[in-house]
Amino acid sequence: GNSVTQMEGPVTLSEEAFLTINCTYTATGYPSLFWYVQYPGEGLQLLLKATKADDKGSNKGFEATYRKETTSFHLEKGSVQVSDSAVYFCALSETGNQFYFGTGTSLTVIP
Amino acid sequence: NAGVTQTPKFQVLKTGQSMTLQCAQDMNHNSMYWYRQDPGMGLRLIYYSASEGTTDKGEVPNGYNVSRLNKREFSLRLESAAPSQTSVYFCASSERELNTGELFFGEGSRLTVL
Repeated sequence: GNSVTQMEGPVTLSEEAFLTINCTYTATGYPSLFWYVQYPGEGLQLLLKATKADDKGSNKGFEATYRKETTSFHLEKGSVQVSDSAVYFCALSETGNQFYFGTGTSLTVIP
Repeated sequence: NAGVTQTPKFQVLKTGQSMTLQCAQDMNHNSMYWYRQDPGMGLRLIYYSASEGTTDKGEVPNGYNVSRLNKREFSLRLESAAPSQTSVYFCASSERELNTGELFFGEGSRLTVL
């Protein structure tokens, strides 16, 4: 079956630190991979995505590369800001009908 | 452009009471979803509707019913609420045919069952 495993949180970083949130997946076929972000009191919104192996998704300084050989889609940012404090979810979808989410990683960035 | 709108945003119920969560989207999407979010569990799919007139069970459908009233609206009903249904519920929609793969979420409905 399909599943997503992501790094347990919470994660606390100082401003301008480097961020990595690990995500690995299990899928029966060739899924699209996503990172969603949830700011406090809001719904989830798409941060970035990749639809095939070796694709790199990027947005707002965040990047993630679809690695088929390691079944991974790790989220990285070179220099985090206080405004990046949120919960980050890794997700996959094979059919476009069903999406499978990881448990979420809470990030707090302190000044 | 409102996107996905859910009502109510907050609700407190007593065990055994019933209620319906309403969801509407104005993006002309075919697919709509109901998720629940619980601490340490991430998002779990309750039901989804791939198109008007169809609904399918997700990972955790027990205790819930859904209605795809038309293309815009997808409601979630709790017939006899239980404390285990205390959660934050999110409605989402997507346009599968465009192959964007992106889900658009509402702001969530926080439900407490006493």
